[in-house]
Parts: sequence; structure tokens; C-alpha cells
Amino acid sequence: AQSVTQLDSHVSVSEGTPVLLRCNYSSSYSPSLFWYVQHPNKGLQLLLKYTSAATLVKGINGFEAEFKKSETSFHLTKPSAHMSDAAEYFCVVSGFSGSARQLTFGSGTQLTVLP
Amino acid sequence: GAGVSQSPSNKVTEKGKDVELRCDPISGHTALYWYRQSLGQGLEFLIYFQGNSAPDKSGLPSDRFSAERTGGSVSTLTIQRTQQEDSAVYLCASRLRDGSSTDTQYFGPGTRLTVL
Repeated sequence: AQSVTQLDSHVSVSEGTPVLLRCNYSSSYSPSLFWYVQHPNKGLQLLLKYTSAATLVKGINGFEAEFKKSETSFHLTKPSAHMSDAAEYFCVVSGFSGSARQLTFGSGTQLTVLP
Repeated sequence: GAGVSQSPSNKVTEKGKDVELRCDPISGHTALYWYRQSLGQGLEFLIYFQGNSAPDKSGLPSDRFSAERTGGSVSTLTIQRTQQEDSAVYLCASRLRDGSSTDTQYFGPGTRLTVL
């Protein structure tokens, strides 16, 4: 069994300040972890993924995430928020459900960027 | 290259009617998934196709839901006798192959279904 918990349903930051979106996971296997972003009325877009090659993963648009096995965390960060970062962010773990390999999504974190 | 496409983008229907939602995966992708995103909730897995294998239907919420994938490419999700609780955004995703959890799922823009 696997699960993902996004600790904040809403995060609000000022433009130019750091962003931290928190994610904790549980998995019976060595997990693959992803962050997806969904802008209003748009599809899900992959930001970055962890696949055990390196614990610090860099993604698109200046985002990065660090896999910490001891803390079962995969928090998403960005040094300086931009207005265009306002969106909903999903932390995702890849695993098994019976015969299917599927993604388990967190409930999402809505990021608001204030001018 | 072309991504995953879905049609229609929006569908409004009356309770009790049947609807069909279409997904065109990325060419060459053998794995295809359907998810549902309800208001205020995360994504819910519905069904998974991998090549010519029998689909994993473990996520379908009721027998009113069915899906098929023709020729290993296009997939259609059918909801019979729609109910108001079926209102959601239905997302399709495809992946190059199974056998590796590192492969990325690429999502379509979704179909927003509203059942009146």
C-alpha cells in the first residue's frame, strides 16, 4: 500500500520570496516520486521526478525537491516565487495496485503568489 | 510532438443519459490510464490498459463505468445512466511502457463532465 500526504492545502507567498510545498509519503517499495502542477483549466504538467538516481532533483521553472528517506518526505521548493507559479501542485508516488502500476496523488496544494 | 488529447473538453449532460469520453494517447505509448478529479478532491484512479493485457478495472466506482481501448491506441470511457455525483474532470494519461516506475505519465487536458 502507498499513500501521499500534502501537509498544506493552501500556501500563500509574496512574489520574490521562497516557496515550500510539503509532501510526506509511505510506500512498501522503493518509491518513485513526482511533482505535477496544474494551472487553471489546464492539464497536469510534470515538474520533476525522483527515481533514486539523486536525492536532490531539479525540475522545470526553477523548482527542485529533495528526497529524504529518513523523513519519508519529498518537499518541493523554489528560491523565488513568480506570479506565474500560482497553480495547484500535486505530490505523487508511483507504485502497484494489484496488477496495475499506478500513481497515487496527494490532495493538492493551492499556491497563491501575492504581488 | 503531439501530447495526449481528450475530447470533448467540456460535456454537459442530463441525469440518466450515457456519455462517451475519448482519449488519444501519445503515439507509441503502450500504457493508458483514466483518472477522475472531483471538486475539492485529489485524483482518483479508474482504469489502466497495458498493451494487449486485460485492463485493470479496480478503480471503477460502479458497473455504470466501462472503458475500452481499440487497436492499442485510442480509448473511450463510457458512463451509463449518469448521476450528478459523476460530475468531475476526467483525465487520461499515457506512458511509454510499463515495467518501470520511473516512466513518466503524460496527462491530457481532461474532459469536464457536468451532470445536471
